[in-house]
Amino acid sequence: AQSVTQLGSHVSVSEGALVLLRCNYSSSVPPYLFWYVQYPNQGLQLLLKYTSAATLVKGINGFEAEFKKSETSFHLTKPSAHMSDAAEYFCAVSEAGGADGLTFGKGTHLIIQP
Amino acid sequence: EAGVAQSPRYKIIEKRQSVAFWCNPISGHATLYWYQQILGQGPKLLIQFQNNGVVDDSQLPKDRFSAERLKGVDSTLKIQPAKLEDSAVYLCASRPPTTGELFFGEGSRLTVL
Repeated sequence: AQSVTQLGSHVSVSEGALVLLRCNYSSSVPPYLFWYVQYPNQGLQLLLKYTSAATLVKGINGFEAEFKKSETSFHLTKPSAHMSDAAEYFCAVSEAGGADGLTFGKGTHLIIQP
Repeated sequence: EAGVAQSPRYKIIEKRQSVAFWCNPISGHATLYWYQQILGQGPKLLIQFQNNGVVDDSQLPKDRFSAERLKGVDSTLKIQPAKLEDSAVYLCASRPPTTGELFFGEGSRLTVL
């Protein structure tokens, strides 16, 4: 069965610093991987997705993620944090090309220090 | 393009009462999902529809939860009777036919007292 582990329920960085949110997955087939962001009292918004093409995926708002099969990882990064990046971030996996319901991690709360 | 619409946004009920949530997906999206998001956790899939047929309801507590998608468009999720542990945000999502990404509504927050 597929699963996702997000290391660190809370991550705090200073404004302008590098953001690194960690995600490891487990899948019996080549997966599709996603990062979603959730702002307070809102639904989830797609940041980026990996669908077996390029291993380095660029998303919205300056975020990117790299698929590393050998490490079963899909970590999310952003070179310079902005106050508006403060939110909850979820990593998700699909084993059926996205046709099934996604399996989500528990989320990482990103805090931006001024 | 209109997004996924959900109502009500907030609902407070007593335990053992019933509640219903409504979702209207993005036009043209044949696949519809209901997720339960408990505070501090990631969303958990409850049920997946393809048009008006159920694809996966393996994690739906069928003794108290039910869902339907008549005519393959909007959907209703019902809880009867509600328990304290049902307090959560219920998220509806839909997926276009050609990509794997899901589009989410803003959710319906349920508080059971």
